[in-house]
Amino acid sequence: DVKVTQSSRYLVKRTGEKVFLECVQDMDHENMFWYRQDPGLGLRLIYFSYDVKMKEKGDIPEGYSVSREKKERFSLILESASTNQTSMYLCASTLSGTGDPGNTGELFFGEGSRLTVL
Amino acid sequence: AQRVTQPEKLLSVFKGAPVELKCNYSYSGSPELFWYVQYSRQRLQLLLRHISRESIKGFTADLNKGETSFHLKKPFAQEEDSAMYYCALCPLYNQGGKLIFGQGTELSVKP
Repeated sequence: DVKVTQSSRYLVKRTGEKVFLECVQDMDHENMFWYRQDPGLGLRLIYFSYDVKMKEKGDIPEGYSVSREKKERFSLILESASTNQTSMYLCASTLSGTGDPGNTGELFFGEGSRLTVL
Repeated sequence: AQRVTQPEKLLSVFKGAPVELKCNYSYSGSPELFWYVQYSRQRLQLLLRHISRESIKGFTADLNKGETSFHLKKPFAQEEDSAMYYCALCPLYNQGGKLIFGQGTELSVKP
């Protein structure tokens, strides 16, 4: 089974603090993603990465950055946390397949990291 | 613009009743469509994909290109179906896995 592990299930931080959310996958997937999950808004893509040291902005990248130094690890960084970043953060991974009809597009998700910024 | 819309935030039915969770999409090409489910205290997981034309846990979904819809249906709901359901779109020939999700529908099946 694919395993995507997010290091922190629950975090409470103060406004202005730097926050690191770690994600590790054990299936040698090329593609990794960070989503934010909010009631009524669904999942919104923050950043994604198709390769080591590669990153691309998603739909809501403001206030976030990412790091991918190793294939299995994708970190989300909040440089200066704000209260509107209180949310559930989901990491996901999948095999690559640019333009590949065989890529089913299935994402494998972590359990989520619930961040509260006071 | 590419968009997925789930018009119902909450759907409440009684056990044994039919269920239909609505999903409409906006995309100019031929997308791949998925339903993901999140049970209480569990991670989000794939329920079914349109390309497989399969029935999972009694659920089916038919892609209607004319109406740009991909509604999820089950003839007889069970209490264990209570969960959060997300419809998602993957544009063909886009880089793998970059899904666009709808807002989600919470399904509550009452005894």
